[in-house]
Amino acid sequence: AQSVAQPEDQVNVAEGNPLTVKCTYSVSGNPYLFWYVQYPNRGLQFLLKYITGDNLVKGSYGFEAEFNKSQTSFHLKKPSALVSDSALYFCAVRDIGSGTYKYIFGTGTRLKVLA
Amino acid sequence: DTEVTQTPKHLVMGMTNKKSLKCEQHMGHRAMYWYKQKAKKPPELMFVYSYEKLSINESVPSRFSPECPNSSLLNLHLHALQPEDSALYLCASQPGPGSTEAFFGQGTRLTVV
Repeated sequence: AQSVAQPEDQVNVAEGNPLTVKCTYSVSGNPYLFWYVQYPNRGLQFLLKYITGDNLVKGSYGFEAEFNKSQTSFHLKKPSALVSDSALYFCAVRDIGSGTYKYIFGTGTRLKVLA
Repeated sequence: DTEVTQTPKHLVMGMTNKKSLKCEQHMGHRAMYWYKQKAKKPPELMFVYSYEKLSINESVPSRFSPECPNSSLLNLHLHALQPEDSALYLCASQPGPGSTEAFFGQGTRLTVV
């Protein structure tokens, strides 16, 4: 079965510092991996995805993620955090093998950027 | 137009009421989804429509009834809900069932009293 784990409920980082939000996955076959961000009382906004190709994926708002097949990880990173980056971040994997193509979301990580 | 629009944004309903949530997209997407999200939890898939046909029902109680009248519109009819059904209901769409990222609406915040 496909699954995604986000080991940290919350990550605190000072403004201007680099940030990392962790995600590990378990899939059979090649993974389709995604990061979404959610601001309070809003829907999910797509940040970036890994389907194939370069292991370093660049996305919206200066975010990037590194796909590491040997560690089955897809950590989200940003070189310099902004207070406005404070939000709830979800890692997700697309369930391709079952043919449903549905998303399987991690439990989410709340990012708090401190001024 | 690259938006998924959900109405209403907020809804308060009694346990004996009948109401509907609406989702609309004009991107030509042929796969549409309903998700339920409780506070501080990830979204949980409820229904998937592919080419206007229901393809997945994740064992959702019958008090939730989805409808896809055309390729741009997705409804969720609500009847005899319980207070524990209070949540953020999210609609999403994507070009086709095999495509990659989905576009999410802003959600309807539902409170059942």
